[in-house]
Amino acid sequence: SQTIHQWPATLVQPVGSPLSLECTVEGTSNPNLYWYRQAAGRGLQLLFYSIGIDQISSEVPQNLSASRPQDRQFILSSKKLLLSDSGFYLCAWSPGTGGDEQYFGPGTRLTVT
Amino acid sequence: GQSLEQPSEVTAVEGAIVQMNCTYQTSGFYGLSWYQQHDGGAPTFLSYNALDGLEETGRFSSFLSRSDSYGYLLLQELQMKDSASYFCAVTGGGNKLTFGTGTQLKVEL
Repeated sequence: SQTIHQWPATLVQPVGSPLSLECTVEGTSNPNLYWYRQAAGRGLQLLFYSIGIDQISSEVPQNLSASRPQDRQFILSSKKLLLSDSGFYLCAWSPGTGGDEQYFGPGTRLTVT
Repeated sequence: GQSLEQPSEVTAVEGAIVQMNCTYQTSGFYGLSWYQQHDGGAPTFLSYNALDGLEETGRFSSFLSRSDSYGYLLLQELQMKDSASYFCAVTGGGNKLTFGTGTQLKVEL
């Protein structure tokens, strides 16, 4: 069966500090991978999606970046965090062969102080 | 671009039936999905409609009218554990999802 992992679960970082959030998927090959951000009481905003290694599309211009160094690993990064970067970050995957459903990881709650 | 509208909050009584609506405007449409999210948790998939009509899965049903750019999620025999936020999402190109702002369902005794 497939599982998706995200860490850390919670993170408190000062403004201007760097960020690295990691997501890994097990039990599947060549998945589509996604990073979302959710502000409190709001819907999910798609930040990045990837259909393969080094194939990443950015949906929203911001100070975040994403990388996919391995087939089932997706990393979200920032060089300098802003207060507005606070939120609930969710990684998701869907079958690369197509499918109706996305599967979400447990999320990372980031607070920038 | 895509935009989706959902009522912000719905309250219903345990055992009742509740309908949560979603209207969308989109430049590309492959289907409408529904996700459930409990407080502090991750969204989980409930249903997907690519064609017009009603899809039923247990206590959950989802309806789509592509000509009206409208869909709804119907929950029957409401239980306290159904209290959560429910998001509709449009599938566009690249299997990308655009989510609505969600409806918070409160189930009361």
